[in-house]
Amino acid sequence: QQQVKQSPQSLIVQKGGISIINCAYENTAFDYFPWYQQFPGKGPALLIAIRPDVSEKKEGRFTISFNKSAKQFSLHIMDSQPGDSATYFCAARGNFNKFYFGSGTKLNVKP
Amino acid sequence: GAVVSQHPSWVICKSGTSVKIECRSLDFQATTMFWYRQFPKQSLMLMATSNEGSKATYEQGVEKDKFLINHASLTLSTLTVTSAHPEDSSFYICSASPGQGTSPLHFGNGTRLTVT
Repeated sequence: QQQVKQSPQSLIVQKGGISIINCAYENTAFDYFPWYQQFPGKGPALLIAIRPDVSEKKEGRFTISFNKSAKQFSLHIMDSQPGDSATYFCAARGNFNKFYFGSGTKLNVKP
Repeated sequence: GAVVSQHPSWVICKSGTSVKIECRSLDFQATTMFWYRQFPKQSLMLMATSNEGSKATYEQGVEKDKFLINHASLTLSTLTVTSAHPEDSSFYICSASPGQGTSPLHFGNGTRLTVT
């Protein structure tokens, strides 16, 4: 049973456009929600994270929107650039500092 | 800050041999480290939780005798793939967190294991 569901599986966006990736969870005990960016052959790198008592967090071109009642959160990448092309994973933290990951979204930003 | 270093970045070994992968937290102490396995174009699968000074906790379906984990100090955890077989070929990634609260996981750069 996948604890965190992520969509879409892949995404193609034109340069300058907005990339939106969505995640949903069921476990209300999750208390921390990070997003990771992964380039081929590399480990995931933390991009941005949010706590469930906050509805939105923005860092540069990256914004997390969090809907606690719907148990959904999303990543928005504004002014998407070809360098943003990577695989993105949402995650949620449960008990014992154990993180559960979404299935990943491969983003391709076309120049 | 919060850098996790993993070594080697890639390794090729023959079937039946053992391979050790090291994971170090460079600028923080980690009582707990996590080992993940990632298949091509797939998500990260948690294999085990490495606990400093005690036995690792393995996820369901992960063979603890095949994937030996040792967490000898607050900055070092090792994963040994014993008697490796081609199906063990994968991308192994370790991670650690400086603490609870709002501390995220920080990942190493992964180890690409190829068993021939």
